[in-house]
Amino acid sequence: DTEVTQTPKHLVMGMTNKKSLKCEQHMGHRAMYWYKQKAKKPPELMFVYSYEKLSINESVPSRFSPECPNSSLLNLHLHALQPEDSALYLCASSPGPRNEKLFFGSGTQLSVL
Amino acid sequence: ELKVEQNPLFLSMQEGKNYTIYCNYSTTSDRLYWYRQDPGKSLESLFVLLSNGAVKQEGRLMASLDTKARLSTLHITAAVHDLSATYFCAVDMGGSRLTFGEGTQLTVNP
Repeated sequence: DTEVTQTPKHLVMGMTNKKSLKCEQHMGHRAMYWYKQKAKKPPELMFVYSYEKLSINESVPSRFSPECPNSSLLNLHLHALQPEDSALYLCASSPGPRNEKLFFGSGTQLSVL
Repeated sequence: ELKVEQNPLFLSMQEGKNYTIYCNYSTTSDRLYWYRQDPGKSLESLFVLLSNGAVKQEGRLMASLDTKARLSTLHITAAVHDLSATYFCAVDMGGSRLTFGEGTQLTVNP
């Protein structure tokens, strides 16, 4: 299994909603990442988990809350988002924290109304 | 702050032609990656370049890295329509951080 699976694929939420994005991999990778990508722009790193511990938070607003329940799962909890948070949210994993080759999921297209 | 510049940002080429995409970066790094992204899709890893002088080839694509010049190239040989996509280079800043270039949107016309 060489896939990173993200759910849901599409999400529409209001500014007062709470929702969660889910990411799963079964490749035994020990580093997992959240990236945000606006249309026609490059991905921007949000968070890195290394061995299930948060190692990087790129000054992301607290309305985004990551969680790594175990080595295969990564969640991104969303609360009180703004319309400008609408984007494609990509999860990725790599064998270790030294990046090497990143495997990206297919992403969640988020729209905040 | 690391800057990664790709050029061109838009490239329209005919099938069968050759072209090169350039990726310049502003600080020392010995790891560079190339990714492909189709519209509305995720990123697909194409090449991982881990040292100065590294050259990798896959089909009609060939990537190289010159760490002294802080330059990587992605060369396209005899382009075909299926290569139409956006291509990103990404530089390893260390500590699990990748900085992506702006992307090159490639269109291959029949």
